[in-house]
Amino acid sequence: NAGVTQTPKFRILKIGQSMTLQCAQDMNHNYMYWYRQDPGMGLKLIYYSVGAGITDKGEVPNGYNVSRSTTEDFPLRLELAAPSQTSVYFCASSYDSRYWAFFGQGTRLTVV
Amino acid sequence: AQTVTQSQPEMSVQEAETVTLSCTYDTSESDYYLFWYKQPPSRQMILVIRQEAYKQQNATENRFSVNFQKAAKSFSLKISDSQLGDAAMYFCAYDERSNYKLTFGKGTLLTVNP
Repeated sequence: NAGVTQTPKFRILKIGQSMTLQCAQDMNHNYMYWYRQDPGMGLKLIYYSVGAGITDKGEVPNGYNVSRSTTEDFPLRLELAAPSQTSVYFCASSYDSRYWAFFGQGTRLTVV
Repeated sequence: AQTVTQSQPEMSVQEAETVTLSCTYDTSESDYYLFWYKQPPSRQMILVIRQEAYKQQNATENRFSVNFQKAAKSFSLKISDSQLGDAAMYFCAYDERSNYKLTFGKGTLLTVNP
């Protein structure tokens, strides 16, 4: 089925560990985004990309890195995990910034 | 920076009744887009309705409609004939055209009572 696929769905990390959250879309969308959702805080933008090879910081980029080597994939890298990065992470994609519609199912990350 | 405010952390409605969720936003732009998203317990983000700022007509999608007041920077969501499946967290979001980013409010948790 067409859409945005995130893996894994759940993960527990120890402080200082690193991991990559995977995101893939098969709709040939140019725009891709990573958000984090903390309880009672809505969603905040971490990084975004407007096309392959182009990425930019969002509101809360510290502690994260991204790359966009293909149109389909937009992985999010966490280096030196900290408890403050405990959150639910969403990847999203859009054909155009006006047509927001496609989110992945989210990854629940706990850092202990 | 743009901000989106949802002043109702929680709302409840009786099944088959109508409920209105409030949203205000702050912007100096004239061309932008507004959205309501639904997030059920499954965590999936589902687009409910969108409104283009240059369109005066309020958007409607079946039982969902908006009251868009551009001058007041207000964008409320009305759910008619509420159903148990409407119970969810609802997020209001703003996208400034050519800015490529969605800014979200903190959400309103809607409970539907049978």
